[in-house]
Amino acid sequence: EDQVTQSPEALRLQEGESSSLNCSYTVSGLRGLFWYRQDPGKGPEFLFTLYSAGEEKEKERLKATLTKKESFLHITAPKPEDSATYLCAVSGNTGGFKTIFGAGTRLFVKA
Amino acid sequence: DVKVTQSSRYLVKRTGEKVFLECVQDMDHENMFWYRQDPGLGLRLIYFSYDVKMKEKGDIPEGYSVSREKKERFSLILESASTNQTSMYLCASSLPHVEQFFGPGTRLTVL
Repeated sequence: EDQVTQSPEALRLQEGESSSLNCSYTVSGLRGLFWYRQDPGKGPEFLFTLYSAGEEKEKERLKATLTKKESFLHITAPKPEDSATYLCAVSGNTGGFKTIFGAGTRLFVKA
Repeated sequence: DVKVTQSSRYLVKRTGEKVFLECVQDMDHENMFWYRQDPGLGLRLIYFSYDVKMKEKGDIPEGYSVSREKKERFSLILESASTNQTSMYLCASSLPHVEQFFGPGTRLTVL
């Protein structure tokens, strides 16, 4: 069964303190791994898609990487405005059109 | 710019009422999805549709139905609202097997 586990559940950082969020996944035939950002009371906002192990994508202070079993979202020198919940999701060959979402990591960045 | 809109941001209904939540996308996407999101439970798929008039049950379809008469519109129907259906409802659309784009969400309260 396809599964996504994110850790930690919550992460508190000081402004400028770099760190990483983890997404471990089990999927039969990865079609894509997705990262989203969600602010309180709003819908998730798409950040990245990764398709194969070794792939990396960057956007401002965020960098997503992918291996065969996990993905990392690296946050370099975060700012308070990076505070949000970050969701990881996968789409596989056996899930039809479904996407499996992790529970998310809540990131708090203090000035 | 991609756009998914939902008919209401906040909705308050009484137990037993029939509730309609509407979602419209302007990206000509084949796939549309309805999720509910509750604290500690993450995103749970209620129903999805991969074509006009086609629908498939997600993980928690009980108490819900859907309608997709036009490609751009996907409606979620609560036949007889109950208090345990109080939640944030999120609509999304996508092309097959790629990232989903979410609407702003509808916060439904059933009294």
